[in-house]
Amino acid sequence: EVQLVESGGGLVQPGGSLRLSCAASGFTFSSYDMNWVRQAPGKGLEWVSYIGSSGTTIFYADSVKGRFTISRDNAKNSLYLQMNSLRAEDTALYYCTRDRHDYWGQGTLVTVSS
Amino acid sequence: QPVLTQPTSLSASPGASARFTCTLRSGINVGAYRIYWYQQKSGSLPRYLLKYKSDSDKQQGSGVPSRFSGSKDASTNAGLLLISGLQSEDEADYYCAIWYSSTWVFGGGTKLTVL
Repeated sequence: EVQLVESGGGLVQPGGSLRLSCAASGFTFSSYDMNWVRQAPGKGLEWVSYIGSSGTTIFYADSVKGRFTISRDNAKNSLYLQMNSLRAEDTALYYCTRDRHDYWGQGTLVTVSS
Repeated sequence: QPVLTQPTSLSASPGASARFTCTLRSGINVGAYRIYWYQQKSGSLPRYLLKYKSDSDKQQGSGVPSRFSGSKDASTNAGLLLISGLQSEDEADYYCAIWYSSTWVFGGGTKLTVL
């Protein structure tokens, strides 16, 4: 059974940093592209970042470019999102998704507020 | 103009059919893209339903009933999600998405009310 479990969310002040993690199991993690997708409270889905299976191909949404960094450790079956210079508008539930978003984690909530 | 435009709401009766549209911005040809559809029930995480590019390039998500299907309307440059035999459990938000210019783009979502 495919499982994606996010962690690392929390309350942070504007300008602060957080590192999200996603632990994957039930599939060959190193064979799949991965993404982070977020959803602000009461809003729709917004793609944040993509990383190819080997980690060499990376893309970001314009809204986070230069502030967020996606990475992965295929030996640990883990996906990460380093978030710096956080803003109030980054407040959202952050989901880890596989490939074409065929599997989603439960999400981890990031709240940016003073 | 957004890359993908979805109506904000749709209502239909139990047993009827629902037709969701996902209109691509002018200049982006729907024929060239796989359209992905996701369902999100209230308080739950999104669920992958299906992808559709053509009748020879389509895929149903794992466990997704055949009453959910995809299509396209080239005349309106839109991807379509069709749900037949509506059930109360189909009430949810429905999102389309495409992989466009090295980014994933989601539509704003359509809220389906089954009444």
